[in-house]
This record gives sequence, structure tokens and C-alpha cells, in this order.
Amino acid sequence: GENVEQHPSTLSVQEGDSAVIKCTYSDSASNYFPWYKQELGKRPQLIIDIRSNVGEKKDQRIAVTLNKTAKHFSLHITETQPEDSAVYFCAASSTSGSARQLTFGSGTQLTVLP
Amino acid sequence: GAGVSQSPRYKVAKRGQDVALRCDPISGHVSLFWYQQALGQGPEFLTYFQNEAQLDKSGLPSDRFFAERPEGSVSTLKIQRTQQEDSAVYLCASSLALGRWYQETQYFGPGTRLLVL
Repeated sequence: GENVEQHPSTLSVQEGDSAVIKCTYSDSASNYFPWYKQELGKRPQLIIDIRSNVGEKKDQRIAVTLNKTAKHFSLHITETQPEDSAVYFCAASSTSGSARQLTFGSGTQLTVLP
Repeated sequence: GAGVSQSPRYKVAKRGQDVALRCDPISGHVSLFWYQQALGQGPEFLTYFQNEAQLDKSGLPSDRFFAERPEGSVSTLKIQRTQQEDSAVYLCASSLALGRWYQETQYFGPGTRLLVL
């Protein structure tokens, strides 16, 4: 089955700096890669996703890049703000067969220092 | 519109008790997923429904775990004879699932935090 590894597990940045979180996956059939933000005690919320037919996607201060050959994808947050502080999870899934579940990384605790 | 809702939000059970966790997906969403999230970890897949059909239950950790979605809408995750290792947050997610080759966004509920004493 799919295995997703995420690094770093914790990340502290100064307000206004950029943050980068990296993930690798193992299943070459995976073709959908969402990123979720989870605040303490809250539900995971989708912040951006990318499909395997594109290499990069951007939404305001957030961007995701995908390298299918190397099987890795990254989340980039620019001009970080204190409200960006949360746990971020990457995930991967495929549309092969009946499988639709997401396989998650172990999470990155991002702290933005004011 | 209304998002995914789950009840109860918190459940304390004595070891050996049975519990039932409810998920109300977004109206019209075909696919429904259950995940288990241990403290400090990412969610882990338990089971998946498309309408009322349970298409994948490979993530259920033991035969004490059972899920159903009899009318293709509300789903219930039941855990029999709870053990301390069952303590976790149980998340439900739903998606529209329009096409076979297209992965739709999964929207998560707030979760049920289960504590087994």
C-alpha cells in the first residue's frame, strides 16, 4: 500500500518568512495530493491540492509543487502570519480500482513567531 | 451549506463497553470515509462507503469494529468491547465522487474524541 513520509515534524519561522514542508510517497499510481491544515481540537481543512497532471499550483500565499519522477511534493507558504500556526498534513491517493482513501503523512507543527 | 457533522463530540467509555459513533455527511455526497487519528499522528483510513455499499474495510483494526451506512446517507461506526488502545479521535469525511477517474475533495467532520478507561 501507499506510504507517505513528511518532514520536518516541527517548524518555527518568524512572521513574514517562508515555510516549506516536504512529503514523499511510494505508490506510483497515486495521482491526487491534498494538503490539510488542522488547528488544535478542530477538523482537518483542505488548503490546497494538486493532481498528477500539473507540476505546480498556487493560491495567494500558498503553493504546492509536485515531482512525479522523484515521488515528492512540497507545500510553500510565503509571508507567514501567526494565524498560519497549526499542524499541516500532506496526503496522497489514487483512483485505481475502488480505492479512494487518503494516506496521510505524520504532520508538521508550524509555529509562526510574531 | 452545512458541513459534515459527527456525534457525540466526546465519549468516555469503560473498557469492555460498546460505543456507536455517528456521521452525517454533506447532503448529496456519495462517498463516506472513516479515519482514526491517534494523538500527534495523521489520520489513518478505516473504511469507505460509496452510497450504501462498503467498498473497502481493509483499515478496520479488528473484528470489534463495524461500520454501516444502510440508506446511503448517515453512517455509524460501532466498536464492541472497547479497549484502551481504541482511544483516539474518529474522523468522518465525505466527498461528491462524480467520476471514476477523478478524486474529489474530502471534507472532514469535527471528529469524535473517544477515551476508553
